[in-house]
Amino acid sequence: QVQLQESGPGLVKPSETLSLTCTVSGYSISGDYYWAWIRQPPGKGLEWIGSIYHSGSTYYSPSLESRVTISVDTSKNQFSLKLNSVTAADTAIYYCARNPSSSGNYVWGQGTLVTVSP
Amino acid sequence: QTVVTQEPSFSVSPGGTVTLTCGLTSGSVSSNHYPSWYQQTPGQAPRTLIYRTNTRSSGVPDRFSGSILGNKAALTITGAQADDESNYYCVLHMGSGIYWVFGGGTKLTVL
Repeated sequence: QVQLQESGPGLVKPSETLSLTCTVSGYSISGDYYWAWIRQPPGKGLEWIGSIYHSGSTYYSPSLESRVTISVDTSKNQFSLKLNSVTAADTAIYYCARNPSSSGNYVWGQGTLVTVSP
Repeated sequence: QTVVTQEPSFSVSPGGTVTLTCGLTSGSVSSNHYPSWYQQTPGQAPRTLIYRTNTRSSGVPDRFSGSILGNKAALTITGAQADDESNYYCVLHMGSGIYWVFGGGTKLTVL
């Protein structure tokens, strides 16, 4: 059974880069699925950040595209998120997830809270 | 910019039936948007309930069902139970390529 686990710093300073990694176990990241990042500010709703396929093809939310990079490391069975020039508005629980093409059948990680603060 | 709309809150009596909806500020929702539904309780990751309009995710009881009603996607809970009290989110696939937009969520109260 596939499991996803987010990891990375829980505190990032304003204007710096937020970096998170999702480690996938129980399934090869080279399989026929998309790998996504989704976030949720405290007390608010979910926001799709972007997705990547194992080939390296990436897809980003238009509202975040200028600041986001998602990458994949098939040798480590991991994919990563970088969000630059962060502000307090980027404070959120960040989830990594897996979904099939054209399907919202996400398998979710447990999420990790990232706080942007001096 | 098209926004995905959901009722902010809803209440249902135990044993009752409730239908939550997921719409667009511009246009109609269809199966081509692959509407999906998620349940989230405070402090927990979302749980996928329904995907591709009406397919239940593994382990989801059949009292949860999805459909298209008029110009919106719908999640119907039949025989509501106390532990159905949660936040429910929908997501729609928008346009070409890979691009998903979540609704703002519905807080469901069972009382």
